Amino acid sequence: GQQVMQIPQYQHVQEGEDFTTYCNSSTTLSNIQWYKQRPGGHPVFLIQLVKSGEVKKQKRLTFQFGEAKKNSSLHITATQTTDVGTYFCAGPPSGSARQLTFGSGTQLTVLP
Amino acid sequence: DGGITQSPKYLFRKEGQNVTLSCEQNLNHDAMYWYRQDPGQGLRLIYYSQIVNDFQKGDIAEGYSVSREKKESFPLTVTSAQKNPTAFYLCASSILGGRGISNQPQHFGDGTRLSIL
Repeated sequence: GQQVMQIPQYQHVQEGEDFTTYCNSSTTLSNIQWYKQRPGGHPVFLIQLVKSGEVKKQKRLTFQFGEAKKNSSLHITATQTTDVGTYFCAGPPSGSARQLTFGSGTQLTVLP
Repeated sequence: DGGITQSPKYLFRKEGQNVTLSCEQNLNHDAMYWYRQDPGQGLRLIYYSQIVNDFQKGDIAEGYSVSREKKESFPLTVTSAQKNPTAFYLCASSILGGRGISNQPQHFGDGTRLSIL
């Protein structure tokens, strides 16, 4: 079955440093979605990328979808303490009725 | 405000007991989902439903049951057959994508934390 891997599993950064998490799927995806879950909270949808090679920005966050539509990345510039949480990628296999498969997440800690 | 309401927030289950987790949405979404999240882990799909009176098993359906009698409601029952029920349960909903596929962004409720007594 489809597998979605995320690395790293954990990341500690000093406030102001940059952060990147990577997402890799075993199968081609029809789209890639990113979610953020604050400690003790629920996942919140951040963004969806659909096109091969697509890049989208949300303030300090940059999202990229790979050319082969099997990988993606989320980059945060100059992290802030409000960025703390777990970031999940999720994607449905292309050409399939299967549901979203979530990655295992990257837990970000920002040290003040 | 539109959203998803899960109740209760915390639930305790005794040995051999079935418990039901509630999930209600007023977003007029066709698709609803139940996920299980264990500490430090990702989300695993238990069941999903794309239309009233129809639902499909996810990756870890054993020991769980659901119903979808109304578009707004998708309750999950954790049966006594689920031997390790302690987890964080999340309900979500979404619109359906092209060809009725559930590949669209999902909105989540606040979750229910289930523990064994």
